Amino acid sequence: EIVLTQSPGTLSLSPGERATLSCRASQSVGSSYLAWYQQKPGQAPRLLIYGASSRATGIPDRFSGSGSGTDFTLTISRLEPEDFAVYYCQQYVGSPPWTFGQGTKVEIK
Amino acid sequence: QVQLVESGGGVVQPGRSLRLSCAASGFIFSDYGMHWVRQAPGKGLEWVAVIWYDGSNKYYADSVKGRFAVSRDNSKNTLYLQMNSLRVEDTAVYYCAREGFRELYYWGQGTLVTVSS
Repeated sequence: EIVLTQSPGTLSLSPGERATLSCRASQSVGSSYLAWYQQKPGQAPRLLIYGASSRATGIPDRFSGSGSGTDFTLTISRLEPEDFAVYYCQQYVGSPPWTFGQGTKVEIK
Repeated sequence: QVQLVESGGGVVQPGRSLRLSCAASGFIFSDYGMHWVRQAPGKGLEWVAVIWYDGSNKYYADSVKGRFAVSRDNSKNTLYLQMNSLRVEDTAVYYCAREGFRELYYWGQGTLVTVSS
């Protein structure tokens, strides 16, 4: 089973700042088998990024994903008030289980 | 638009069974793989199970293997999760989700399962 480790656990930033979230895999997930999700309190998760760098439908271009192999990054170029939430990465390479990272909380500083 | 609506959650005693349903609409259900994902109170997301678009393959997390069974009825546009031998640690919100390729493109709002004596 591939283990995903997200860092930091919590990111304290102000609106307008840049957020950089990391997701590291215990073994390679290639360049196309990683997704990022956003979850706000009391809501279901929402897909942001798939294939490591493709934005899902309706996702603003301030969200971008990059990386390959074992190291991936989600960048939010300028934080908007609605972006404060928990973010999860997920790998879906090969056969299941398709595991999630433990999450990074982006909170208002 | 794509809609996924889970139902069947509730309070159940340890060792008992429960069946969750996920009603799908707004897309051709039989074209897509479907997943169950759960989230224990205050915790992160845990992938639970997947079923191929035609039901030909099913995979489970180790934590539920042998106790949970995923199935689908493409004629009713409905996904199911049969949960047997429930444990306290199975307490969670259970989400169904539709694949894009393999990523979880659309999610339902979830149904809460509480396992408690």
